[in-house]
Amino acid sequence: DVKVTQSSRYLVKRTGEKVFLECVQDMDHENMFWYRQDPGLGLRLIYFSYDVKMKEKGDIPEGYSVSREKKERFSLILESASTNQTSMYLCASSSGGAGTGELFFGEGSRLTVL
Amino acid sequence: AQKVTQAQTEISVVEKEDVTLDCVYETRDTTYYLFWYKQPPSGELVFLIRRNSFDEQNEISGRYSWNFQKSTSSFNFTITASQVVDSAVYFCALSGGNQFYFGTGTSLTVIP
Repeated sequence: DVKVTQSSRYLVKRTGEKVFLECVQDMDHENMFWYRQDPGLGLRLIYFSYDVKMKEKGDIPEGYSVSREKKERFSLILESASTNQTSMYLCASSSGGAGTGELFFGEGSRLTVL
Repeated sequence: AQKVTQAQTEISVVEKEDVTLDCVYETRDTTYYLFWYKQPPSGELVFLIRRNSFDEQNEISGRYSWNFQKSTSSFNFTITASQVVDSAVYFCALSGGNQFYFGTGTSLTVIP
């Protein structure tokens, strides 16, 4: 069964901490995405990557960085967590041209920053 | 600019009723894709359908059907004879270039 796995379902961190959210897919997909989901705002794209070591900013990249050292793994990094980064974070992957194949999502990581 | 509007924030229906979820999109691209995803209470978004901009044929899959109309830039989703398991948040999405653009979602509650 194809799968996108996010390392943590629930995290609680303190303001100023460095936070790593890991995502691994087993479908050999070229494209990987990080979204943030907030009530009333839907899904907003933080960063995406269409190849190893490549990254592109999405709509809300401020305060975040990403790393893609291997094809199957895409990490989201919060250098210095802030309370306004409390949210649900969703990782997704797709094949083909980045906007053509359907997205496969992980279960999400709910981050609370105190 | 690319944009997806789901004007219905929350809908409640009684089991076995039909329900239509609206999706209106904006794009200047001539080639694009439209999607619907379901997010059940467990949280994981599940792909339901993809449509490309050149295929306006409506599609039916069991109790689900989709009506794509380029003239009105709409891609509406109908659930026939709704069931409690249909309770979820449904997202419409548009792809353009390398990105996907999501609506804000419609929360559907099916009351037994």
